Amino acid sequence: EDQVTQSPEALRLQEGESSSLNCSYTVSGLRGLFWYRQDPGKGPEFLFTLYSAGEEKEKERLKATLTKKESFLHITAPKPEDSATYLCAVGYSSASKIIFGSGTRLSIRP
Amino acid sequence: DTGVSQNPRHKITKRGQNVTFRCDPISEHNRLYWYRQTLGQGPEFLTYFQNEAQLEKSRLLSDRFSAERPKGSFSTLEIQRTEQGDSAMYLCASSSGQSADTQYFGPGTRLTVL
Repeated sequence: EDQVTQSPEALRLQEGESSSLNCSYTVSGLRGLFWYRQDPGKGPEFLFTLYSAGEEKEKERLKATLTKKESFLHITAPKPEDSATYLCAVGYSSASKIIFGSGTRLSIRP
Repeated sequence: DTGVSQNPRHKITKRGQNVTFRCDPISEHNRLYWYRQTLGQGPEFLTYFQNEAQLEKSRLLSDRFSAERPKGSFSTLEIQRTEQGDSAMYLCASSSGQSADTQYFGPGTRLTVL
């Protein structure tokens, strides 16, 4: 069964404390892996798309990496404004829909 | 701001009533998606349009749900005979043909069924 699993469910960090979020997936025919950020009461905000194992993308304090079975979202020296839920999603090569994981709720304490 | 817009932002209704939501995608985007999100979960795919054609529909989508995109621009999602289990955030997203994988989401419509 195609599925996306994110861990941990919640993560509390001190400002400046770097860490990584994990997204593991099982899907037949991966078209791409996507990372989104979602603030409470708002729609997801697009961050990155990764297409092949070994690919990396960076944006400010965030870096996303992809292997054949999982992706990591590394956050370096986070700030309180990085607090949000980070969602991972995968797209099929045979369809247009994407499947989301349940997200990781990240909280950064000042 | 030329992002995806959704109306209304909030809707409270009684069980058994019909509700309709509207989504206006980014103007040059020909692909439009509807998702449903409940608390603590990621968005769940409902349906997808390319221009005015509805090309994919989730098998989980009840017959009480219907979506249209009559002129390939805005879209509506109607839920008939609402049930308490329909309470959720309904999200719309759009993408362009040239960058189909990058879906841009609207702010969502929060539905509460009493």
